[in-house]
Amino acid sequence: SAVISQKPSRDICQRGTSLTIQCQVDSQVTMMFWYRQQPGQSLTLIATANQGSEATYESGFVIDKFPISRPNLTFSTLTVSNMSPEDSSIYLCSVGLAAEQYFGPGTRLTVT
Amino acid sequence: GESVGLHLPTLSVQEGDNSIINCAYSNSASDYFIWYKQESGKGPQFIIDIRSNMDKRQGQRVTVLLNKTVKHLSLQIAATQPGDSAVYFCAEKGGANNLFFGTGTRLTVIP
Repeated sequence: SAVISQKPSRDICQRGTSLTIQCQVDSQVTMMFWYRQQPGQSLTLIATANQGSEATYESGFVIDKFPISRPNLTFSTLTVSNMSPEDSSIYLCSVGLAAEQYFGPGTRLTVT
Repeated sequence: GESVGLHLPTLSVQEGDNSIINCAYSNSASDYFIWYKQESGKGPQFIIDIRSNMDKRQGQRVTVLLNKTVKHLSLQIAATQPGDSAVYFCAEKGGANNLFFGTGTRLTVIP
């Protein structure tokens, strides 16, 4: 299994600003993923961030809005840029280990 | 892309009863499915998985059934306990090892 931590756990931000979310894993993993969970809804994949390659974004998500870094096998960041109230969500990172995928506790973002 | 959906958004059961949560998927080529449990304020937690070459898989108090003919997946929880109250998601693994999640079912256990 993997233990995943995220910082911050929650934040309230003003529109037009940016927030960088950090994801730390207790073991080296190749595959990391970022998901968004809007209030009361399911999880939607934002991008796949494998170490050593550019992040791959899903339809509806672009690098300018959600830049991702993956400097090593235990860490990744997701930035939510030029935020609007529609970006208010829980952002979760996850890692793939063997066939399973483990999730961090999420970062609850509120944009005012 | 894949479409994974759930039949019921909410489910209430008496403590001690069995719970059944259903899920439909649309991609007949899908070969791996996972059930997750998400408690309030936490990330999804892996419960049980099943590959398409199986019809049934059992864990501790949980059983997953897969019906490939009708593209239907179910999660059965035996002797439901208050700690089982959560939102349950089925997920389908994509080609890049990413996951496509269903809409979720909120299970409430009545003491």
